[in-house]
Amino acid sequence: GQQVQQSPTSLVLQEGENAELQCNFSTSLNSMQWFYQRPGGSLISVFYNPSGTKQSGRLTSTTVIKERRSSLHISSSQITDSGTYLCAMGGTGGYKVVFGSGTRLLVSP
Amino acid sequence: DMKVTQMPRYLIKRMGENVLLECGQDMSHETMYWYRQDPGLGLQLIYISYDVDSNSEGDIPKGYRVSRKKREHFSLILDSAKTNQTSVYFCASSWTSYEQYFGPGTRLTVL
Repeated sequence: GQQVQQSPTSLVLQEGENAELQCNFSTSLNSMQWFYQRPGGSLISVFYNPSGTKQSGRLTSTTVIKERRSSLHISSSQITDSGTYLCAMGGTGGYKVVFGSGTRLLVSP
Repeated sequence: DMKVTQMPRYLIKRMGENVLLECGQDMSHETMYWYRQDPGLGLQLIYISYDVDSNSEGDIPKGYRVSRKKREHFSLILDSAKTNQTSVYFCASSWTSYEQYFGPGTRLTVL
């Protein structure tokens, strides 16, 4: 079945550093979505990006279908960026979405 | 304002009791989902609904059932709840794509 591998599992940064989060998938996809989640919180959509590059402020998402990967770049990290980032891949049918296990990001002062 | 709501937000039940979790959305989305999230296991799909009375099992449907009688409303029912159903339950909805909108979650504890 469809599998999604996220890396790294966890990441610690100092404020101001950049972060690159990766998501690799085993099969072809129809969609890719990145979510942010605080401990005890809900999933907040960061990007819906089935292909190409999208940017919003300090965040950039790039999805390359042929290479079966998607990345989330955070520039000039801030303490408020701390939390878990999840990628979710939509496959070929049934509108089912497969989630990665997440990257836990901690940004310290 | 696009919104997915869930009620209740917190619930404590005893083993063997019935549980009803409710989800609503104001976007006329056709597809709705129920997930549970547990530490170390990530998000697991329980059921997916493609429209009114058109529901399909997800990856972990055992012990759960769903009801969708109106497009904007999707319920998750636990008949005779078990302690291993203690979890955080999320509802989500989407339109014709896979782009999902999530509700705030319900934290269920079964004692």
